[in-house]
Amino acid sequence: DAGVIQSPRHEVTEMGQEVTLRCKPISGHDSLFWYRQTMMRGLELLIYFNNNVPIDDSGMPEDRFSAKMPNASFSTLKIQPSEPRDSAVYFCASRPTGGTLNQPQHFGDGTRLSIL
Amino acid sequence: DQQVKQNSPSLSVQEGRISILNCDYTNSMFDYFLWYKKYPAEGPTFLISISSIKDKNEDGRFTVFLNKSAKHLSLHIVPSQPGDSAVYFCAASAPRVTDKLIFGTGTRLQVFP
Repeated sequence: DAGVIQSPRHEVTEMGQEVTLRCKPISGHDSLFWYRQTMMRGLELLIYFNNNVPIDDSGMPEDRFSAKMPNASFSTLKIQPSEPRDSAVYFCASRPTGGTLNQPQHFGDGTRLSIL
Repeated sequence: DQQVKQNSPSLSVQEGRISILNCDYTNSMFDYFLWYKKYPAEGPTFLISISSIKDKNEDGRFTVFLNKSAKHLSLHIVPSQPGDSAVYFCAASAPRVTDKLIFGTGTRLQVFP
């Protein structure tokens, strides 16, 4: 079975440029999560969706960050304009919400973002 | 305010011995706990979980213990193998309220021959 697929795996760009990270969740999973991992703050949740609807975006650092989920099989996280402090590894995760209450999240391999 | 804490950034254990990784939490609303393992350049992989109605859950070499009164959980790996060398993250959630997972900062386990 295909897991969560993220692209690109690595992105290097200059400050001020727009960055778009992409995620394809596991088929049948109806919750999707975006995380950021840094040395200082560890793994922190940015936003999550249930059935394509944003539920909690309290972790989104500022207005430069936006996330969309136009359909059940695709989500984007966009940073515009990007800044060096956005450099981090960004993970996408998905999980099913049906069935039992407790279901683990399944993570993609992340996008390593470097803003110069 | 860190709600999930892993106070040991690293742990080194000899192959065949027991590895014990610890995690503390502060929010009494948490009632579902998970451990993830992470290799370099990969995403975290789910390892084992425990609900607050239990105090122990076992899966092969991995056992998670939950002490609700102390707000403490631990992961035991017996016997430890070199392939277990990775970063281990503890996570907590309150699934009746939110789908959010709160992660600890991780413990790097090294299992040496």
